[in-house]
Amino acid sequence: GAVVSQHPSRVICKSGTSVKIECRSLDFQATTMFWYRQFPKQSLMLMATSNEGSKATYEQGVEKDKFLINHASLTLSTLTVTSAHPEDSSFYICSARGPYSGNTIYFGEGSWLTVV
Amino acid sequence: EDKVVQSPLSLVVHEGDTVTLNCSYEVTNFRSLLWYKQEKKAPTFLFMLTSSGIEKKSGRLSSILDKKELFSILNITATQTGDSAVYLCAVEATGGGSNYKLTFGKGTLLTVNP
Repeated sequence: GAVVSQHPSRVICKSGTSVKIECRSLDFQATTMFWYRQFPKQSLMLMATSNEGSKATYEQGVEKDKFLINHASLTLSTLTVTSAHPEDSSFYICSARGPYSGNTIYFGEGSWLTVV
Repeated sequence: EDKVVQSPLSLVVHEGDTVTLNCSYEVTNFRSLLWYKQEKKAPTFLFMLTSSGIEKKSGRLSSILDKKELFSILNITATQTGDSAVYLCAVEATGGGSNYKLTFGKGTLLTVNP
């Protein structure tokens, strides 16, 4: 099946700093990428949808200026958590789909962010 | 707002048992329903269903969609301890907007005891 790679898998950052998480589709062109957040023992909450070359569409309640999403190429999307706070600590997961992924949405491995 | 409801929320069985997980939904502009298995990391894809009544099968797992009654089931036969995981159901729909997106249920935590 299609492969989506996410990096880093774990990151610890200091409060007030910014951290970038990358999501790459390795063997297909991802025209759409999705970013989710998951708290322990809860389901995935969609944060934003990004289409290559255009601005991301954020879900209600998600701060655009805090969670910057860039989808500059057909294989790469990045999520930057700016001015991170401890409450931003969470599991962040990206997923991707493209015309040659059979319309299926594949997930990256996820990134554990801990803000101290 | 799109809704996806899974039941049961948790289930404990013995190896060899057969389990049925349920997923019902209320969405606008349905496109597909997907099942994922999540262990300690990100979800892994199991099935995508778009048409009613057509069973999809992969080994001991199978799934079917009923678009009239708005639900899907995921069956696992002859369960093994390695099947222990959270099973997530997600529905892709527009929710009345212009973009398709996945809405997830809360998941069913399956524990298979030896």
